[in-house]
Amino acid sequence: QKEVEQDPGPLSVPEGAIVSLNCTYSNSAFQYFMWYRQYSRKGPELLMYTYSSGNKEDGRFTAQVDKSSKYISLFIRDSQPSDSATYLCAIMYGNKLVFGAGTILRVKS
Amino acid sequence: DTGVSQNPRHKITKRGQNVTFRCDPISEHNRLYWYRQTLGQGPEFLTYFQNEAQLEKSRLLSDRFSAERPKGSFSTLEIQRTEQGDSAMYLCASSLAGSNSPLHFGNGTRLTVT
Repeated sequence: QKEVEQDPGPLSVPEGAIVSLNCTYSNSAFQYFMWYRQYSRKGPELLMYTYSSGNKEDGRFTAQVDKSSKYISLFIRDSQPSDSATYLCAIMYGNKLVFGAGTILRVKS
Repeated sequence: DTGVSQNPRHKITKRGQNVTFRCDPISEHNRLYWYRQTLGQGPEFLTYFQNEAQLEKSRLLSDRFSAERPKGSFSTLEIQRTEQGDSAMYLCASSLAGSNSPLHFGNGTRLTVT
C-alpha cells in the first residue's frame, strides 16, 4: 500500500465547474499537508499548505483535511482553462515530503 | 526572490556516461532536497541537506548517485555510469529549516539516457 493514494484521472470538467481533488494517506503520524500544481515540463508550484483538520481558503482554492479519516481534498471554484495541470497532494513526514501520484485536470472552455 | 534554479534544463547522454546537475536554492533557505519524477508519478525523495550536511538518503539513491552541497549553498547531483532506467526529471527544492516549512521546487533537469 502506498503511503499516499491519489486518483490519477484524468478529470475533465467544463469551465466554471467546481472541481474536487482527493487523496488518502495511511500514516496517522503525518503532520503537514500541501497541494502543488504542476504544469507540463515545469516543477511543482505550492498552492496550499495546512496542518490542522478543517478548511483553509485562498481565493478560488479551498484545502480540506480530515485527520480522523486520513483524507485530504482540494476544491477549485469557478475553474478556468488555465487551471488545467497536474495536482499533487503532498504530506510532510519527518523532514521530507511524500507525494501522491498526481491527478491530471483538464478544464474545457 | 529568484526562486530555485536548476541547470541544465535538459540533458541527453549515452548509457554508461556520467552526468552532473546543479541546483541553486532560494538564498535564505538552509535545506535543500533532491527528488526524482518519472512520467505519471509524483516526485520521489532522494536526499536532503541541511546547510552542508547530508542528513538523509533514500534507498532509491544507489551507489552510482552522489550529491554534495559544499559550503551550504548550491548543490550538485552526479550520476555515474548512467542506465536507461535513470531517465527521469530530477527536481531540486529548498526550504527553511523546520518540519513545517513548505518546499519550493525548481523546474527540474530532464535526463534522457539513450
